[in-house]
Order: sequence, then structure tokens, then C-alpha cells
Amino acid sequence: EADIYQTPRYLVIGTGKKITLECSQTMGHDKMYWYQQDPGMELHLIHYSYGVNSTEKGDLSSESTVSRIRTEHFPLTLESARPSHTSQYLCASSEGAGMNTGELFFGEGSRLTVL
Amino acid sequence: GENVEQHPSTLSVQEGDSAVIKCTYSDSASNYFPWYKQELGKRPQLIIDIRSNVGEKKDQRIAVTLNKTAKHFSLHITETQPEDSAVYFCAASIEYGGATNKLIFGTGTLLAVQP
Repeated sequence: EADIYQTPRYLVIGTGKKITLECSQTMGHDKMYWYQQDPGMELHLIHYSYGVNSTEKGDLSSESTVSRIRTEHFPLTLESARPSHTSQYLCASSEGAGMNTGELFFGEGSRLTVL
Repeated sequence: GENVEQHPSTLSVQEGDSAVIKCTYSDSASNYFPWYKQELGKRPQLIIDIRSNVGEKKDQRIAVTLNKTAKHFSLHITETQPEDSAVYFCAASIEYGGATNKLIFGTGTLLAVQP
């Protein structure tokens, strides 16, 4: 079934650990995004990609990094996690050709807790 | 920078009443305005969108209006039902780099429909 998948759904780790949040979509979308969602609801764009080998930083400064080596895969990595990184991370993709943004399809999210 | 303001942050209505959520955006180049609904513990999903070439769009009990001059757009839900209870996000597409768009989300409105 065409969808967007995130793993892990929940992760509790200690300070200083390296983590990678996985995101894969089977819809063939060129555009992919990472949003950080506060407990207070707000969605902040932290990274986006318009295709293979394209990555850009979003509006909210983040110490995480991303890569886009394959169309369907857009992993997010934190080299050294800190308690301030505790949040929910939502991956999304869209087809949006050219100037059209298009509908965003979200994954179920990865809830990260750093102790 | 670009931003989208959303009001109110919380809204409580009686079942059967109408609910209105309002957003303003800052970039006059914005041309796409979607609304997303996020139920508790679920992923955000698109419920309706509007492009700048129309002033109003309806889909059953929900409607969106757009005033480009004032840079305002609103979500209207009529005959509210308990299953409408969720967080609603407005968004606006901001042109970036002259070639492609990315969505900026509002801060969210928690709608509670009281039975």
C-alpha cells in the first residue's frame, strides 16, 4: 500500500547518543520534509528535499542532518542527542510538480525522548 | 521572515454549532492555502485547500474563504460533531528560490466539540 513510514515510532535514549530516524515513502514523491512538533502543537519545518541529492534547512534551526540518496528514503540523524531534542518528529512527502506545493502526506511520527 | 498567524489557539463549541478559525499570512506571493486536521495521537491530514484564484471553497460541512487583499483566510465548520474535535492547522505556501514552494504552518487550533 502506498504510504509513508517512520521508524522508530518511540525512542528513549541517553544524552550523547547518535540516533537516526528513518522515513520511507512508496508514493514516488520527489519532495520530502521533516517537521518538529512541539508538545504545544506547533509544526516547525527543520529540513526539506526536492529530490535526490537535494537537501535544505528549514525555518527552525536544528542540529540534525538529513540525506537524500534515494527518492524514497529521507533519514534524519542527530550526532549527539541532548534533552532539548526531545520532541515528536514528523516526516512528510508531496508530489507537487513545479510551482505547486501539493498535498503533504505525513508519517505517523517518531517520538524522541532524550534523558 | 515569513509567518502564518492562527487564532484562536483553543476553541470550544457545542455540538451543532459552527466553528471558525482564522489565519493571516505575511508573504503576498503565497498562492496555496491548505488546512490540516490532526486527531489526538494521529498524523495531520489534509481536509481542504484553496488556491489564490478563488475566494471560497466548500466541501460538505467545511468551507474555506480567502481574502488576498487582507491576507486572511478562514476555516468554517458548520453543524459540528464530536468527531470534529482535533487540532486544526492552517498553512500557506511561500515561494522559495523562485522555483519551488514550501509550506509554513500556523500555530494550530485545538477544537473541542462538546456533546
